[in-house]
Amino acid sequence: IAGITQAPTSQILAAGRRMTLRCTQDMRHNAMYWYRQDLGLGLRLIHYSNTAGTTGKGEVPDGYSVSRANTDDFPLTLASAVPSQTSVYFCASSEGTSGAYEQFFGPGTRLTVL
Amino acid sequence: GQNIDQPTEMTATEGAIVQINCTYQTSGFNGLFWYQQHAGEAPTFLSYNVLDGLEEKGRFSSFLSRSKGYSYLLLKELQMKDSASYLCAVRDSNYQLIWGAGTKLIIKP
Repeated sequence: IAGITQAPTSQILAAGRRMTLRCTQDMRHNAMYWYRQDLGLGLRLIHYSNTAGTTGKGEVPDGYSVSRANTDDFPLTLASAVPSQTSVYFCASSEGTSGAYEQFFGPGTRLTVL
Repeated sequence: GQNIDQPTEMTATEGAIVQINCTYQTSGFNGLFWYQQHAGEAPTFLSYNVLDGLEEKGRFSSFLSRSKGYSYLLLKELQMKDSASYLCAVRDSNYQLIWGAGTKLIIKP
């Protein structure tokens, strides 16, 4: 089934621990994105990748890192989790970055940092 | 700074029409998107506007006025399944989406 998968679905993490959120798409989309969604706020871009091998910083990149070794995978790593990183994390992808290309979203990962 | 404003919550009656407004101030404009998000789920694409005017897609229509920094999403013949949050997003000069906080739409029978 074409789309985007994310893992894990949810996670409770102790502060200071390292965590990698996984994201895989099978639509051969060039661009991929990581957002966090917090109550009362809009989706905020953490990092993005316009094509395999390249990445860029979004609005709230501090404390997060990404890699894009191939077209399909775009993992997000929290090097040392802090409680303010408690959020719902969405991975998204799009065929292109301009025009009518919409972003398709994965089901999300609900992360709680204690 | 960049800003997208939408009402926090709206209530409407099943079978009626509702208009959800969005105003924006962004560094550049390369299109406006509307997404629907049911509670606990991912956002899904509804519409895209880049030129002024109305785009119609079934029961949903979206309007854009670039000179006013304004858009609205019009939902007709409301159904209970339309209860969701509606997110407005503008693609800025860096070709990144800037998102509003969303409008929670409550449909009453």
